[in-house]
Amino acid sequence: AQSVAQPEDQVNVAEGNPLTVKCTYSVSGNPYLFWYVQYPNRGLQFLLKYITGDNLVKGSYGFEAEFNKSQTSFHLKKPSALVSDSALYFCAVRPAYSSASKIIFGSGTRLSIRP
Amino acid sequence: NAGVTQTPKFRVLKTGQSMTLLCAQDMNHEYMYWYRQDPGMGLRLIHYSVGEGTTAKGEVPDGYNVSRLKKQNFLLGLESAAPSQTSVYFCASSDPGQGARTGELFFGEGSRLTVL
Repeated sequence: AQSVAQPEDQVNVAEGNPLTVKCTYSVSGNPYLFWYVQYPNRGLQFLLKYITGDNLVKGSYGFEAEFNKSQTSFHLKKPSALVSDSALYFCAVRPAYSSASKIIFGSGTRLSIRP
Repeated sequence: NAGVTQTPKFRVLKTGQSMTLLCAQDMNHEYMYWYRQDPGMGLRLIHYSVGEGTTAKGEVPDGYNVSRLKKQNFLLGLESAAPSQTSVYFCASSDPGQGARTGELFFGEGSRLTVL
């Protein structure tokens, strides 16, 4: 079965420190991979995506993610965390060439940045 | 540019009551979706539509119905609400020229439904 795992329910980081939010996936064939962010009482906002090409993808608000095919991972990273980065982050995967209805979301990781 | 707008934002129902959630998008997107978000479970697809007049079942369609009479609107109905339908509901849309091909979705701000 196709799935997405976000192994950490919560990640706590001090402001200014690097952050990583982990995501691993299991899909047949090549994946399209996404990160979305959800601020309190808001809908999800697209952050970045990997479709093909360079394994390091850069997105909004200084975030980046690295696609690792051998480890089937797509971890979200940022070199220096801000308090305003505190939010709920979702990883999502879609098998390539499938319909958009086949997008699978992880369970979410709450990122908390302390001043 | 409003994007994706959901109404109402909050609603409390009694078991057995019916209601409709309205989603409107002004981006001329072909594809529209209804998801529910429950703690620790991510987003689960209820129903979706690939164009005006078409609808299809997602992962958790039971107890819900949908209609897409106009391209810009996607309605989600609960005919007889149950406590298990207490959740936050999100509407999303995507552009077949880009988003639907790659999966990028545009979300509304959510509708919080409580069924007593």
